[in-house]
Amino acid sequence: DTGVSQDPRHKITKRGQNVTFRCDPISEHNRLYWYRQTLGQGPEFLTYFQNEAQLEKSRLLSDRFSAERPKGSFSTLEIQRTEQGDSAMYLCASSSGLAGRTDTQYFGPGTRLTVL
Amino acid sequence: DAKTTQPPSMDCAEGRAANLPCNHSTISGNEYVYWYRQIHSQGPQYIIHGLKNNETNEMASLIITEDRKSSTLILPHATLRDTAVYYCIVEDLAGGTSYGKLTFGQGTILTVHP
Repeated sequence: DTGVSQDPRHKITKRGQNVTFRCDPISEHNRLYWYRQTLGQGPEFLTYFQNEAQLEKSRLLSDRFSAERPKGSFSTLEIQRTEQGDSAMYLCASSSGLAGRTDTQYFGPGTRLTVL
Repeated sequence: DAKTTQPPSMDCAEGRAANLPCNHSTISGNEYVYWYRQIHSQGPQYIIHGLKNNETNEMASLIITEDRKSSTLILPHATLRDTAVYYCIVEDLAGGTSYGKLTFGQGTILTVHP
């Protein structure tokens, strides 16, 4: 068990550029979550996948954000036309998925995005 | 919005017990209470969870009041490595089901002093 991994760990980009982050969950975990965390705040939920299906999206996820989880394994989070307000830590978590219930989530180390 | 209230910060001496309180007065009868912590520059880490009975694992103990409106996380012998932000989270079972998303509040910054 190698835990949840995220790549890259740090990303610096210029405003208006597109960026893509990758998350590799714990193998056989069928739930995958993306959260965003700004300085001094707790993580905020962005979106959730059950296997390959994206079942819930936060209103924080504007149309510039898109997430995918092809084949129910790794996931990508893309931000188009980045803005300075997108600067944050982007966290990925996975869990084995108890039907209809919250279960223990395992978080990755996060990707820190800085938009200049 | 988070369904919990926690003090913004607490201090603890190394080797002593750290008792972190959490109020969750609007908790529903079958919603679990979860505790996570986040050490600086790392992702959150699961600590413990419970429903009604007190729980203990290798990391901590969780005491839930009989009316379930509050709980206390206990780190029995705090070390410097326990310095972190501690989040108390109530499961969201609105509509009778949950996708499992966690709603984090501001948490409690626990500082363990030598």
